[in-house]
Amino acid sequence: AQSVAQPEDQVNVAEGNPLTVKCTYSVSGNPYLFWYVQYPNRGLQFLLKYITGDNLVKGSYGFEAEFNKSQTSFHLKKPSALVSDSALYFCAVRDISGTASKLTFGTGTRLQVTL
Amino acid sequence: GAVVSQHPSWVICKSGTSVKIECRSLDFQATTMFWYRQFPKQSLMLMATSNEGSKATYEQGVEKDKFLINHASLTLSTLTVTSAHPEDSSFYICSALRSIGGAGTGELFFGEGSRLTVL
Repeated sequence: AQSVAQPEDQVNVAEGNPLTVKCTYSVSGNPYLFWYVQYPNRGLQFLLKYITGDNLVKGSYGFEAEFNKSQTSFHLKKPSALVSDSALYFCAVRDISGTASKLTFGTGTRLQVTL
Repeated sequence: GAVVSQHPSWVICKSGTSVKIECRSLDFQATTMFWYRQFPKQSLMLMATSNEGSKATYEQGVEKDKFLINHASLTLSTLTVTSAHPEDSSFYICSALRSIGGAGTGELFFGEGSRLTVL
């Protein structure tokens, strides 16, 4: 069974500083990995994904993520955090066996960016 | 990008009543949609996979008779919480799969969520 782990419940960072939100995964085949962001009482917004190709994936709002196969990690990063980046971030892995295309989400990491 | 609409965004109902939540893909057809439930400060838990024209596939532990899913058209899936109780209060989120190729491919687009409060 596939799984995703987000070891940090919350990450605090000052505006302008770089941020990292950690994610590790476990899959039996090739990993299809995603990052989503959720603002209060809202649905999920897609940030970026890794399917194949370059290990460094660039996404929306200046975010990027680095796929590391040896460490089974897919950490989300941004060079310079903004207060508006404060939200709940979910890492997810997709099972494409059969026709389901189901996503398994991590527990989420709350990012708090302060002035 | 593609848009998925959920309605209602907020609903408050009395215990024992049934509530229907709609999930619509506005600019693409979705043979597959997913329903998730999210408790406060927790992750999304997949409840079921909604398949157009056939029965939904429920995850283990989800009561089929409690959470009725209907996917009657390529752009609409509905989740009905029957005989709702306070413990059913939660944030329900749907997603729709826009296929771009063979089985298992495509993009997932999420609705804005529906917050259910059962009094």
